Amino acid sequence: EDQVTQSPEALRLQEGESSSLNCSYTVSGLRGLFWYRQDPGKGPEFLFTLYSAGEEKEKERLKATLTKKESFLHITAPKPEDSATYLCAVQARSNDYKLSFGAGTTVTVRA
Amino acid sequence: EAGVVQSPRYKIIEKKQPVAFWCNPISGHNTLYWYLQNLGQGPELLIRYENEEAVDDSQLPKDRFSAERLKGVDSTLKIQPAELGDSAVYLCASSPRLAGELNTGELFFGEGSRLTVL
Repeated sequence: EDQVTQSPEALRLQEGESSSLNCSYTVSGLRGLFWYRQDPGKGPEFLFTLYSAGEEKEKERLKATLTKKESFLHITAPKPEDSATYLCAVQARSNDYKLSFGAGTTVTVRA
Repeated sequence: EAGVVQSPRYKIIEKKQPVAFWCNPISGHNTLYWYLQNLGQGPELLIRYENEEAVDDSQLPKDRFSAERLKGVDSTLKIQPAELGDSAVYLCASSPRLAGELNTGELFFGEGSRLTVL
């Protein structure tokens, strides 16, 4: 069974204080690893898909990287509007329409 | 373009009562999902539809949960009877059916229906 573990559970940052979120995964044949952002009271919003080790994707202050066992989401010089829960999910080649999500990391950025 | 629309946004019911949630996916999206999200957890898949066919319902508790997607567009998720442990957010998502490498796995989620069972 696919497993996704995210750490830390919560992260409090000062505006401009860069940090990283971790996503460790176990999946039989990774097809893709996904990062989503979820604001309170909203559904998750897609950020990135990573397919192979060594791949990197960037969007504004966010950069996602992938190794064979984990993914990192780096937040560079965060702003208060980056406050959200960041969810990681994996998709196996054997079931390429199912996402298995981690519990998420809740990021709070203080001005 | 309109996103995924869900209703109701909030529902409070007594245990053993029935409840239904409705979802209208993005126009043209063949694949529709229902996910369950407990507080502090990530979404968990309940059921996936390809057009009107339920192709993965292995995680749907069939003794009390049912779902349908008539005409391959809107979908309804029903719980009867509801139990205290069903309190959660029920998320609907949709995606276009793209083959092979075109399938980025991106899901488009609605805002969810928050259920409280008293």
